[in-house]
Amino acid sequence: EDQVTQSPEALRLQEGESSSLNCSYTVSGLRGLFWYRQDPGKGPEFLFTLYSAGEEKEKERLKATLTKKESFLHITAPKPEDSATYLCAVQAYSGAGSYQLTFGKGTKLSVIP
Amino acid sequence: DAGITQSPRYKITETGRQVTLMCHQTWSHSYMFWYRQDLGHGLRLIYYSAAADITDKGEVPDGYVVSRSKTENFPLTLESATRSQTSVYFCASVSGNTIYFGEGSWLTVV
Repeated sequence: EDQVTQSPEALRLQEGESSSLNCSYTVSGLRGLFWYRQDPGKGPEFLFTLYSAGEEKEKERLKATLTKKESFLHITAPKPEDSATYLCAVQAYSGAGSYQLTFGKGTKLSVIP
Repeated sequence: DAGITQSPRYKITETGRQVTLMCHQTWSHSYMFWYRQDLGHGLRLIYYSAAADITDKGEVPDGYVVSRSKTENFPLTLESATRSQTSVYFCASVSGNTIYFGEGSWLTVV
């Protein structure tokens, strides 16, 4: 059974204070690891997909990295508008329905001005 | 580009009533999904569909029914609503290898 564990559950940062969110996973065969951002009252918004260990992707103040067991979402010099819940999900090679994702419970990030 | 539209956005219903949540996509994506999101559980897959007239169960399908007569629509029906089905429901579709989500339907069963 595929499993995704995110830590910490919640994180409070001062504006400009860089940090990282962790996503550890177990999956039978990783097809892709996804990061989403979710604002209150909204649906998840796609950020990144990582496919193989060593891969990195960046978008503004966010950088996602991937190893064989975990992924990190690094946030550099965050701003209050980066406050959201960040979701990690894995996609496995499983034949029919292989696009489906298994999600972690998320990390709620609060950036204080 | 409207993307995925869910309706209703908010619904309160009584235990035992039938409720249908609608999902419409403007992209003609083949794969579509229904997830529910609950505190302490995260997002869990209810049902998915690979194409019109092809559907399959996800992790938590009990109490739900889906249909997909047209590519663009994927309604989710709660046949006899229970309080445990109070949740936020998200419809999603796949483009390339990325899943895109709708804005959600908030359902309260009293």
